[in-house]
Amino acid sequence: DIQMTQSPSSLSASVGDRVTITCRASQSISTYFNWYQLRPGKAPKLLIYAASTLQSGVPSRFAGSGSGTDFTLTISNLQPEDFATYYCQQSYSVPPTFGQGTKLEIK
Amino acid sequence: EVQLVESGGGLVQPGGSLRLSCAASGFTFSSYWMHWVRQVPEKGLVWVSRINNDGNDTTYADSVKGRFTISRDNAKNTLYLQMNSLRDEDTAVYYCTRARGSGSYYTYWGLGTLVTVSS
Repeated sequence: DIQMTQSPSSLSASVGDRVTITCRASQSISTYFNWYQLRPGKAPKLLIYAASTLQSGVPSRFAGSGSGTDFTLTISNLQPEDFATYYCQQSYSVPPTFGQGTKLEIK
Repeated sequence: EVQLVESGGGLVQPGGSLRLSCAASGFTFSSYWMHWVRQVPEKGLVWVSRINNDGNDTTYADSVKGRFTISRDNAKNTLYLQMNSLRDEDTAVYYCTRARGSGSYYTYWGLGTLVTVSS
């Protein structure tokens, strides 16, 4: 199975800040890579697919980049609703695997 | 509007069984691969199983193979997960997801249903 290593595991930031979350795959996965947001009491939400394509309806302050083994999610101008847990995921091979999550908290 | 609503979770003893259901609406259910993903306390998201649109192609995580069975009823727009021989480590919130293709990414998720395996 492909291992996904996400960092940091937690992050504190303020409204208006810019933050970056990284994810590394244990082998090259091209751009078969996605980011999700999980908020308590809400259905998980797809943010970015194919490494850098913004899902319809997701604000443009979210941006994804990377290919091969190294990927990043950048959130600019943090809004209160962005404080959540973020997961990366590879879809290059079965089983699909996720990172361990990054909890973004308000400073 | 796409909706996925899971049900059937609860408290069960180790070795017991549960059947989860996922009622789908707002899209042509029979056209999509569907997956189950679970959120394990303190460990994050873990993929469980997938099924093709016809129901004749299924795949499982090694951790549940031989114990869980995924199925679907396209006439009822419902996805199922039969879970047998449950273990403590199966405790999780189980999400039903609609996949793009066979599993490129998960466009829609339900709210999840909590399964607790404990004596």
